[in-house]
Amino acid sequence: DQQVKQNSPSLSVQEGRISILNCDYTNSMFDYFLWYKKYPAEGPTFLISISSIKDKNEDGRFTVFLNKSAKHLSLHIVPSQPGDSAVYFCAATPSGTYKYIFGTGTRLKVLA
Amino acid sequence: KAGVTQTPRYLIKTRGQQVTLSCSPISGHRSVSWYQQTPGQGLQFLFEYFSETQRNKGNFPGRFSGRQFSNSRSEMNVSTLELGDSALYLCASSLGGGLGEQFFGPGTRLTVL
Repeated sequence: DQQVKQNSPSLSVQEGRISILNCDYTNSMFDYFLWYKKYPAEGPTFLISISSIKDKNEDGRFTVFLNKSAKHLSLHIVPSQPGDSAVYFCAATPSGTYKYIFGTGTRLKVLA
Repeated sequence: KAGVTQTPRYLIKTRGQQVTLSCSPISGHRSVSWYQQTPGQGLQFLFEYFSETQRNKGNFPGRFSGRQFSNSRSEMNVSTLELGDSALYLCASSLGGGLGEQFFGPGTRLTVL
C-alpha cells in the first residue's frame, strides 16, 4: 500500500522554465512533508519542507505547496537549471511518529 | 562537520548468508534511520533508532534488525539473505528532538547472488 505516490516517473523541462513535481498522499494523519533531491551514487539531499498547518513554503527557487483537502503536494522550481536534473522524492511523516514515508521518485531532466 | 558515513559502500553476498552494514551519523545527531531503495519502490523505511532505542519500525520481516550504540553509531543486520534483498541501503541521521530534515549517507549497495 503506497501511501505517498508520485505518479510521474519522469519529467523534462526546458532550462529557465518552471518545473512542477507532484505528490499525492492517502493518509490524513500525515502532518509534515519534505522534498529530497537525489543524484546518482549519492544519498538524497533535503530541499524543503512544509508543516500541515501551512499551505506554502518558499526557499529561493523552490516553493512547496500543500493542498490538504486534495491530499496533494507539489514542488515548483523556478527557473529550472540543468543542475536541477536529478530524482526528486517527496516524503511524509505520520503525526506523532519519526517515520518518513517516501514516494517512488520523479526523474527531472532540465534541458539546456 | 563530517557527513553521514556508511561502510562498506559495496557488498556482494550469496543467498543464505548474513550481512552487517554500518552507519556513523553526523556528530551530535542522536537519531538514525535506515531505508531500503529498490528500482520502482522508492525508499522503504526499515527502522529508526534514538538514544539506543528503536522508536519506529517499518514493514520488513524479522530477518532485518538493527541496533544503535551509545555513540549513536548504528548497525543493520540482514540474516538469511534472499535475492530480493539486493538493494541500496541508506542511512539517515537527524538531531532527533523532533521533526526535521534527515541527512543521508551515500548508501551501501548490496548484491545478493
